[in-house]
Amino acid sequence: DAGVIQSPRHEVTEMGQEVTLRCKPISGHNSLFWYRQTMMRGLELLIYFNNNVPIDDSGMPEDRFSAKMPNASFSTLKIQPSEPRDSAVYFCASSFVQWTDTQYFGPGTRLTVL
Amino acid sequence: GQQVMQIPQYQHVQEGEDFTTYCNSSTTLSNIQWYKQRPGGHPVFLIQLVKSGEVKKQKRLTFQFGEAKKNSSLHITATQTTDVGTYFCAGETYNNNDMRFGAGTRLTVKP
Repeated sequence: DAGVIQSPRHEVTEMGQEVTLRCKPISGHNSLFWYRQTMMRGLELLIYFNNNVPIDDSGMPEDRFSAKMPNASFSTLKIQPSEPRDSAVYFCASSFVQWTDTQYFGPGTRLTVL
Repeated sequence: GQQVMQIPQYQHVQEGEDFTTYCNSSTTLSNIQWYKQRPGGHPVFLIQLVKSGEVKKQKRLTFQFGEAKKNSSLHITATQTTDVGTYFCAGETYNNNDMRFGAGTRLTVKP
């Protein structure tokens, strides 16, 4: 199994630009999570999908952030417009049934907003 | 909301010394998971504890879940340089099925 796949691995963009991060969960997993990790705030849960439906998006910082999961094998996290304070490593994770099962993390996308 | 507190934030040890990180919750947990993140890597699942007072071992790592299911610990015996990384706990509460990660303990090991 290839594990959770994220792209791009690194993204450098300028303030105000739109950024789209992509995730392919492990085949057969029904839950998908987006996290943001920074030195200051640690690992933060942004949003959680179960069976492609957003269940908990209380961690999404503001309206500039949006996430979609059009099918079981693909999800996107979009930031529009991006700001320097959005610079972080964004992880996608998936689990078999629900978010209390073991979560398998992708390699992450390191985002730098100049 | 539910808070999962983890201490210490940082720990620096000499190779061969022991290391312990603690995880505490204000509410009873249904289970707790531990993850390890190597520098530059992603969190990797280590273990899940479910039962009150449960103790599990993985080689030099010992995981404990408190009797009241509000705290947990990870103890590493005779640390090695390969143990370097950040150790996270993640706890689930009964009432709202909420699981949150602790802030993590960053371990560095001096050869």
